[in-house]
Amino acid sequence: NAGVTQTPKFQVLKTGQSMTLQCAQDMNHNSMYWYRQDPGMGLRLIYYSASEGTTDKGEVPNGYNVSRLNKREFSLRLESAAPSQTSVYFCASSGGQGDSSNQPQHFGDGTRLSIL
Amino acid sequence: SQKIEQNSEALNIQEGKTATLTCNYTNYSPAYLQWYRQDPGRGPVFLLLIRENEKEKRKERLKVTFDTTLKQSLFHITASQPADSATYLCALFTGGGNKLTFGTGTQLKVEL
Repeated sequence: NAGVTQTPKFQVLKTGQSMTLQCAQDMNHNSMYWYRQDPGMGLRLIYYSASEGTTDKGEVPNGYNVSRLNKREFSLRLESAAPSQTSVYFCASSGGQGDSSNQPQHFGDGTRLSIL
Repeated sequence: SQKIEQNSEALNIQEGKTATLTCNYTNYSPAYLQWYRQDPGRGPVFLLLIRENEKEKRKERLKVTFDTTLKQSLFHITASQPADSATYLCALFTGGGNKLTFGTGTQLKVEL
């Protein structure tokens, strides 16, 4: 099993360009998440999808949009990239559904995004 | 405001010793808490989960405690090895769709 796969692994954009980060999981998980990780800030939740067909904002959603394309795939879109969005982006998934699931999250290896 | 604190300074210990990492939180009442390991250039990897009604959880050389009165979790690695060198993150369940809020992590270095 591949687990959680993120593409691309690295990307450099210019300010104002748009881009979609792709994420797919093969564990039949219901919930999927997008985080960003910055030095000294830790992992911060951008958006999450508790189940297929639903998405909700996390802690830092401004400047991003998401699409839960199907149960396997959850994409993150930057419509007009800004230098403040330079970061490492992680996608994660977890099994179960709802507040009582208390399942671990499984992470991809990240997309390193630089915006000039 | 809600806050999760982990030691920002790296923890250096000698091989064979026990490493103890601390996670303190304020203004949360998490139903459970998780610990993850992160290696450079990789995503976090789940290690242990402990529920609010559990005082202690063990897995091989790892032990986690959870004190909801002190609002603190301790993560112990016994008989530490250089391969245990990594950054360790604590994460609290903060409701709705199995959401987690992560601490900033503590870097552990195990020296020969």
